[in-house]
Amino acid sequence: ELKVEQNPLFLSMQEGKNYTIYCNYSTTSDRLYWYRQDPGKSLESLFVLLSNGAVKQEGRLMASLDTKARLSTLHITAAVHDLSATYFCAVGRTDSWGKLQFGAGTQVVVTP
Amino acid sequence: EAGVAQSPRYKIIEKRQSVAFWCNPISGHATLYWYQQILGQGPKLLIQFQNNGVVDDSQLPKDRFSAERLKGVDSTLKIQPAKLEDSAVYLCASSLDAYGGKGNTEAFFGQGTRLTVV
Repeated sequence: ELKVEQNPLFLSMQEGKNYTIYCNYSTTSDRLYWYRQDPGKSLESLFVLLSNGAVKQEGRLMASLDTKARLSTLHITAAVHDLSATYFCAVGRTDSWGKLQFGAGTQVVVTP
Repeated sequence: EAGVAQSPRYKIIEKRQSVAFWCNPISGHATLYWYQQILGQGPKLLIQFQNNGVVDDSQLPKDRFSAERLKGVDSTLKIQPAKLEDSAVYLCASSLDAYGGKGNTEAFFGQGTRLTVV
């Protein structure tokens, strides 16, 4: 059974500093997705990573995938308040790539 | 492009009552999913449809949950009878094709239906 572990589960960030969220998964997959969820809202797609070594960047967020280590990271550069949200990684299951196994989520709070 | 539409947004029912949720996926998307998200957890897949056929319902509590996707477009998820532990947000998602090229599998989520069972 595919297991996805995120850490940390809670991250208190200071504005202007850099942080990393880690996503480990237990079985082979080369499809990794990052989503953002604001309170009471649905999931917003941030990044789709489809191969080993994939790196994608959007604004202050950068995601990478190492399929050999079964690890993805979401790096936040110079945190700002509007990045406060819960971030989920999700791994595509090999029996059907569209089926996603989600991590528990990382709740991010950015303070001045 | 219109997104995934769900209704209702909120529903409060008493335990042992029944409830139904509706989902309209993005036009042209062959694959439709229902996820259950319990407060403080990541979403968990309940059922996956490919066009109007069920591909995977292994996580669906079939004694009380049922789902259908008529004509391969809209879908309904029903709970009968509801239990307290069914309180959650029910998310519908769709993708172009879960089995096609890598670019076709990105799932887009609707706003969800927040169910409270009292």
